[in-house]
Amino acid sequence: QVQLQESGPGLVKPSETLSLTCAVSGYSISTAYYWGWIRQPPGKGFEWIAIIYHSGTSFYNSSLKSRVSISVDTSKNQFSLKLYSVTAADTAVYYCARRLWEYQFDYWGHGTLVTVSS
Amino acid sequence: QSALTQPPSASGSPGQSVTISCTGTSSDIGGYNYVSWYQQHPGKAPKLMVYEVIKRPSGVPDRFSGSKSGNTASLTVSGLQAEDEADYYCSSYAGNNNNVFGTGTKVTVL
Repeated sequence: QVQLQESGPGLVKPSETLSLTCAVSGYSISTAYYWGWIRQPPGKGFEWIAIIYHSGTSFYNSSLKSRVSISVDTSKNQFSLKLYSVTAADTAVYYCARRLWEYQFDYWGHGTLVTVSS
Repeated sequence: QSALTQPPSASGSPGQSVTISCTGTSSDIGGYNYVSWYQQHPGKAPKLMVYEVIKRPSGVPDRFSGSKSGNTASLTVSGLQAEDEADYYCSSYAGNNNNVFGTGTKVTVL
């Protein structure tokens, strides 16, 4: 059974960097597929942020590309997200998920709420 | 890329059917047969219900069916049950390994 678990600070100050990690169990990231981050502001819909392959190949949402970095650590079977210069608009539940070749996300983490506030 | 457009709400009585639309452009829905649908109950992670427009993952009831015409995709839930009350989101491939999601539809079982 594939499981994903997000971790990171629940509170980040404006202008600082949001850092999250997604630990994967039940499946080796190095086997296949893309691994990604998706966020959901309170009461709103989803926004796709970025995805990464075990080789390090990554793709970003163009609207966030200048502030986002995604990385992978295959030795720990995890991948991470950094979002720079955050504002209140970045307050959201952040999910990590596995994306299959047909572009659907089949396994999701439980999500972690990150609030941007001083 | 802009979010796909969904109606904010839809409803139906138990046993009836409800259809949710998801409208995009020729750069996403209209350009690829890679539309997926997700069900989200309050406070829970999304669950994949349909992928590649019409396919269902193992374990998803055949009451859930997808379709597409032009730039608009649809999800139909037949034989509505109380547990189908949830938020539903569409998603489409949008080129260059990007995904775009819909605005979401709250389905109420009357």
